[in-house]
Amino acid sequence: GENVEQHPSTLSVQEGDSAVIKCTYSDSASNYFPWYKQELGKRPQLIIDIRSNVGEKKDQRIAVTLNKTAKHFSLHITETQPEDSAVYFCAASKGGSQGNLIFGKGTKLSVKP
Amino acid sequence: GAGVSQTPSNKVTEKGKYVELRCDPISGHTALYWYRQSLGQGPEFLIYFQGTGAADDSGLPNDRFFAVRPEGSVSTLKIQRTERGDSAVYLCASSFAGSVNTGELFFGEGSRLTVL
Repeated sequence: GENVEQHPSTLSVQEGDSAVIKCTYSDSASNYFPWYKQELGKRPQLIIDIRSNVGEKKDQRIAVTLNKTAKHFSLHITETQPEDSAVYFCAASKGGSQGNLIFGKGTKLSVKP
Repeated sequence: GAGVSQTPSNKVTEKGKYVELRCDPISGHTALYWYRQSLGQGPEFLIYFQGTGAADDSGLPNDRFFAVRPEGSVSTLKIQRTERGDSAVYLCASSFAGSVNTGELFFGEGSRLTVL
């Protein structure tokens, strides 16, 4: 089955710097790659997603890139702010109706003011 | 309701007891998912429903775990003969399956299960 690896497990940056989180997946049939943000004690919430027919997607300070050949995708956060501090999870899925999502183990991002 | 609702929010039980966790998805969402999240880990897939049927139950760890969705809306996750290792937050999520624009899963707040 699908396996998603996520790195780093923790990331600390200064406010205003950029943060990059990387994930790899094993199943070449996966075609949907979302990123979820989970604040302490809260539910995971979708922040951005990308499908395998595009290589990059941006939404304000957040961008995701996908390399299908290498089977890896990355989250880029620019101009980080303290409120970006949270745990970020990448995930992968296949199937036209999404199917189940397989999550990475998460990256705890700390943005220091 | 506006979001995915899960009850109870907290459940403390003794080893060997039976537990039921309930999920009420967003109205109109045909797909429903159960995940388990241990401290410091990502959500671990358990089971996924399309309508009333389990489309994929490959994540259920053993036969002590069972889930139903008899009318295609509310779902119940049932755990028999609970063990201490079952302690985790059980997350439910729903989605409008088949959307070409987004496959977003909407998560509930979770049910925290503690087995003593």
